[in-house]
Amino acid sequence: GAGVSQSPSNKVTEKGKDVELRCDPISGHTALYWYRQSLGQGLEFLIYFQGNSAPDKSGLPSDRFSAERTGGSVSTLTIQRTQQEDSAVYLCASSLEGRGIGELFFGEGSRLTVL
Amino acid sequence: GESVGLHLPTLSVQEGDNSIINCAYSNSASDYFIWYKQESGKGPQFIIDIRSNMDKRQGQRVTVLLNKTVKHLSLQIAATQPGDSAVYFCAENRNQFYFGTGTSLTVIP
Repeated sequence: GAGVSQSPSNKVTEKGKDVELRCDPISGHTALYWYRQSLGQGLEFLIYFQGNSAPDKSGLPSDRFSAERTGGSVSTLTIQRTQQEDSAVYLCASSLEGRGIGELFFGEGSRLTVL
Repeated sequence: GESVGLHLPTLSVQEGDNSIINCAYSNSASDYFIWYKQESGKGPQFIIDIRSNMDKRQGQRVTVLLNKTVKHLSLQIAATQPGDSAVYFCAENRNQFYFGTGTSLTVIP
């Protein structure tokens, strides 16, 4: 596609429910990143994919968070048993290369609100 | 711990003036840095990058300066315009990108 696409753009859920956030990276980009941005804060690194594997999952805040990437393309970030502190904008980015080389192209983000 | 941080969380400048946004990093092994601009409700957008073998790089109205001795990065915006109002992040490369907290730039018409 022309850019990184994320869905849903907005998600409101109740505490305790599971949510899935989707990212479609730019075609041909091998690296994919997930970040979390709380209101007025910086970008918190969550996980990085190179192809379908995740060399670095160190940023996932708890075992309620998981992510996968299939076919070297689409990625899904899953948050189980959501908590209010999970409310944030979840940003996905892709780059042509991995290992922190090259420009990151960001999507518009998925805004998650946990009531 | 290691971090990327910004000296000033907010900055207000008059339209037409130059803006300088600063960033400190702590990992001397980082060899690639990028500045991003994030407008309200949007994802960050690339502005300019610099590799550690350089100390200055210029783009259109923007200049990035890198001082490896003190691990400091700055973004200079010339003739700041209202459209420059946004949050600016620096990011350093350590296998993946780590972002600072950001500086909110407000341009006063």
